[in-house]
Amino acid sequence: AQTVTQSQPEMSVQEAETVTLSCTYDTSESDYYLFWYKQPPSRQMILVIRQEAYKQQNATENRFSVNFQKAAKSFSLKISDSQLGDAAMYFCAYNRFGNEKLTFGTGTRLTIIP
Amino acid sequence: GAVVSQHPSRVICKSGTSVKIECRSLDFQATTMFWYRQFPKKSLMLMATSNEGSKATYEQGVEKDKFLINHASLTLSTLTVTSAHPEDSSFYICSALPIAGPAYEQYFGPGTRLTVT
Repeated sequence: AQTVTQSQPEMSVQEAETVTLSCTYDTSESDYYLFWYKQPPSRQMILVIRQEAYKQQNATENRFSVNFQKAAKSFSLKISDSQLGDAAMYFCAYNRFGNEKLTFGTGTRLTIIP
Repeated sequence: GAVVSQHPSRVICKSGTSVKIECRSLDFQATTMFWYRQFPKKSLMLMATSNEGSKATYEQGVEKDKFLINHASLTLSTLTVTSAHPEDSSFYICSALPIAGPAYEQYFGPGTRLTVT
């Protein structure tokens, strides 16, 4: 079974600084997707970024980028120029290619310090 | 972007009663919807996969008779918690997979907070 692990229950960062959230996963599959979802206080899950396992290039979406290390099964999220609106729970998630089910990590609560 | 709604957003019910939660895809059709449960400060746990026109597929450990799922149309799935008890109190989230889209593209509803007294 696939597992997703987030070892940082809580993180904090000064506004405008950079923070990195960690995620590791375990799978025997070679084709899969990895995601970072944001859950703000409103509880609405929002997709932040997606990475296809077959792509060597790390995904980037504006201030959000990932460091995908397939051999190490590591998938970290870097948030640059942190903003107050980035405060939320962040979940790492895994999805095997061809299977729509998502497996979520335990989440990291990110606090932005003004 | 694609929008998924849930109704109600909050519900309080008495122990032993049943409560129905609706999940609707507002601007797209979805043959597949998912139901998750989230405990306070915890992750989302998949309860079941809802397929339009067929029976839902439940994850291991989820009671089928307690959590009834109906996916009657391409835009609506319902979760009915039968004979609810305080331990069923939780935050329930649905997601929908657009027919015309990649398999990884799920859109989430805003969730429903259920409190059983």
